[in-house]
Amino acid sequence: KNQVEQSPQSLIILEGKNCTLQCNYTVSPFSNLRWYKQDTGRGPVSLTIMTFSENTKSNGRYTATLDADTKQSSLHITASQLSDSASYICVVSDGGYQKVTFGIGTKLQVIP
Amino acid sequence: IAGITQAPTSQILAAGRRMTLRCTQDMRHNAMYWYRQDLGLGLRLIHYSNTAGTTGKGEVPDGYSVSRANTDDFPLTLASAVPSQTSVYFCASSYTAGDYEQYFGPGTRLTVT
Repeated sequence: KNQVEQSPQSLIILEGKNCTLQCNYTVSPFSNLRWYKQDTGRGPVSLTIMTFSENTKSNGRYTATLDADTKQSSLHITASQLSDSASYICVVSDGGYQKVTFGIGTKLQVIP
Repeated sequence: IAGITQAPTSQILAAGRRMTLRCTQDMRHNAMYWYRQDLGLGLRLIHYSNTAGTTGKGEVPDGYSVSRANTDDFPLTLASAVPSQTSVYFCASSYTAGDYEQYFGPGTRLTVT
């Protein structure tokens, strides 16, 4: 069964600090991996998308890495801001959108 | 451009009642999806539509039906609501059914009593 596991489940950091969120998956075959940001009470918004051949992708202060051999991805947030407080969801596809597996997400809280 | 909209924002529904959740997108996306999000679980696909006129079952389709009469609209119907259908429902769309980015609506919070 395809699975996506994220860690930590929740995280509290001080404003201005960096943090790294982890995603491990067992989805096979692998097509692509996405990170989404979901603010409380809103729908998820895409941050990055990576295919098998990509091992890093940035979107402003967000940098995602992918190791397809170990089936691991991380999302690094630099110089965190209060607006980064949200859930971050890792999503892995095996080739079709009806075959997408979502992680439960990491709930990040940035405090002043 | 509104993107993707959902209605209602929230609803309390008595068990056994019929309910249709509305979803409309103005991005001319071919593919649309309905997910439910429950505490402690990842988003789960209920139904999808790769293009107008076609629909398919996702991971948790029981108790739900959909239709796709045109490109823009993708309503989700609960024929006879049960308490286990209490959840937050998200509609999403993508340019094609292939590996493209999905755009999500704001969600509908449904409580079945």
